Amino acid sequence: DVKVTQSSRYLVKRTGEKVFLECVQDMDHENMFWYRQDPGLGLRLIYFSYDVKMKEKGDIPEGYSVSREKKERFSLILESASTNQTSMYLCASSLMQVQETQYFGPGTRLLVL
Amino acid sequence: SQQGEEDPQALSIQEGENATMNCSYKTSINNLQWYRQNSGRGLVHLILIRSNEREKHSGRLRVTLDTSKKSSSLLITASRAADTASYFCATDEGSNYQLIWGAGTKLIIKP
Repeated sequence: DVKVTQSSRYLVKRTGEKVFLECVQDMDHENMFWYRQDPGLGLRLIYFSYDVKMKEKGDIPEGYSVSREKKERFSLILESASTNQTSMYLCASSLMQVQETQYFGPGTRLLVL
Repeated sequence: SQQGEEDPQALSIQEGENATMNCSYKTSINNLQWYRQNSGRGLVHLILIRSNEREKHSGRLRVTLDTSKKSSSLLITASRAADTASYFCATDEGSNYQLIWGAGTKLIIKP
């Protein structure tokens, strides 16, 4: 089974802090994704990566950056956390095609005070 | 961008009954997927149906796709308490680099 893990289930940070969310997948998947999920809005794509060191902006990249130095690891960085970034963050991966089955981690619920 | 739409937004039924939820989209697709999310957790893939398929089964799940109506339905038969979750559809419509997600249907199974 594909396993996608995220570094934290819950995080509490203060406004202005730099926040790192880590995601690791163990199935040699090419593509990795970061989404945020807010009530009533479904999933919104922040960034995705189709290869090491490659990244593409999703629908809401502002205030975020990403890093993919190794194939199995995809990091989401909030450069200066703000209260409107309080949300559930979901990491996912897919094998070859970006629009095929995606495998999700358990999510990180981030609260920015 | 979010373009898929699930209907209804919420559904509450008795254990043992069947649950049906629908997903509509606006343009052409290559495939449509259904995912389940238990409270506060990540999403789990249920079924992928391609545009040249009309129906697909997986255990108690049945998915249909009507490309002429641009809609899909997910049927869960003989529902169980463990089916309580939110269900999302996702398509590849209008994009070649991401899935387009609906806002989800929240399903509650009453014992």
